[in-house]
Amino acid sequence: QVQLQESGPGLVKPSETLSLTCTVSGGSIRSYYWNWIRQPPGKGLEWIGYTYYTGSTNYNPSLKSRVTMSVATSKNQFSLKLSSVTAADTAVYYCARTERLATGFDYWGQGTLVTVSS
Amino acid sequence: QSVLTQPPSASGTPGQRVTISCSGTRSNIGSNTVNWYQQLPGTAPKLLIYTNNQRPSGVPDRFSGSKSGTSASLAISGLQSEDEADYYCAAWDDSLKEVFGGGTKLTVL
Repeated sequence: QVQLQESGPGLVKPSETLSLTCTVSGGSIRSYYWNWIRQPPGKGLEWIGYTYYTGSTNYNPSLKSRVTMSVATSKNQFSLKLSSVTAADTAVYYCARTERLATGFDYWGQGTLVTVSS
Repeated sequence: QSVLTQPPSASGTPGQRVTISCSGTRSNIGSNTVNWYQQLPGTAPKLLIYTNNQRPSGVPDRFSGSKSGTSASLAISGLQSEDEADYYCAAWDDSLKEVFGGGTKLTVL
């Protein structure tokens, strides 16, 4: 059974960089798209972007200037960096898998709350 | 402001059939397939319907999806108390991003 687990600081100061890692267990990171999705408290879902297992990436245009994603296939991990954060970036951040684009995110991590505050 | 439009709330009584709509544009629903997610309180979303009308293994056949033009619908028949959750539609947009609806809170009366 594939499992995803997010890890990283739960509190980030304004203007700093948010860094999260997602560890994939029970399956290979190869041949899939690995996504980050966030959900501000009490609000809906926002797709941040994906990294393919080869390292290619695609980001939401609204966040593109601040987002960097990477993959470490040897560790079965992929990562998110979001720079220059503000309070508006406070959200639960989920990592999720999709086998092919547009076919749905079939496995999700439990999510991790990241709060941006001084 | 979400790219896909869903009603903020829906409700029904046990055993009833309810539908949730999702409206988009030619660049998302009109060009690509629609997926639906169920989010129970305090948990991560779960894939409920993919590629318009396919159910992942383990999803009861009480849940069904359809798409026509730039709109899609999720239908839940034989409504049960455990179906009380938030439901989100999603689709790939030709501007190269995944877009979501704002979510519909389903209440089982």
